[in-house]
Amino acid sequence: GAGVSQSPSNKVTEKGKDVELRCDPISGHTALYWYRQSLGQGLEFLIYFQGNSAPDKSGLPSDRFSAERTGGSVSTLTIQRTQQEDSAVYLCASSSLAGGGTQYFGPGTRLLVL
Amino acid sequence: KNQVEQSPQSLIILEGKNCTLQCNYTVSPFSNLRWYKQDTGRGPVSLTIMTFSENTKSNGRYTATLDADTKQSSLHITASQLSDSASYICVVSERVRFGAGTRLTVKP
Repeated sequence: GAGVSQSPSNKVTEKGKDVELRCDPISGHTALYWYRQSLGQGLEFLIYFQGNSAPDKSGLPSDRFSAERTGGSVSTLTIQRTQQEDSAVYLCASSSLAGGGTQYFGPGTRLLVL
Repeated sequence: KNQVEQSPQSLIILEGKNCTLQCNYTVSPFSNLRWYKQDTGRGPVSLTIMTFSENTKSNGRYTATLDADTKQSSLHITASQLSDSASYICVVSERVRFGAGTRLTVKP
């Protein structure tokens, strides 16, 4: 079946602009995660959605970052007033069990802020 | 301080050789531990998942072990292949704590 998809695959933007990254999880997966991976670094947790519960936003690095998940499916990660240090690969994952299920990752969105 | 520490940071081995990657964690409480393989430019792919009651789990040439008492896990790769060159990431739940990964390079 279809896996997790993300769009765009690549995004180049100017410093100060806003960007929106999209994630389509696997159908039926109730949990959705956003991560960031900077060049040569490990994965950094950003935010976690589980069903209709309030999201766990503890990993968001600043108030310029926000995410929403509409209808319990598609999610959008928004970065406002982008900075050069926001350049990274943004990965989305979904799973079928809260916290414990295997996470299936999308291919990521490579963001470059000039 | 990262609650999941992986070692070594990088490793180079010859094709056909075995290797072992280490993961030490301080995450508590603990529900499961997972190893992922991440090829360059791709998203991570799950290799194994173990609950606290499991000591070992195999997936082909990959064997993961877990000692919940000492909070240590290892990933053993047998008869390495060139395609094993990737980053290997240890993930500990609850609250999804990642290690920084081990970059493995297999040379012919």
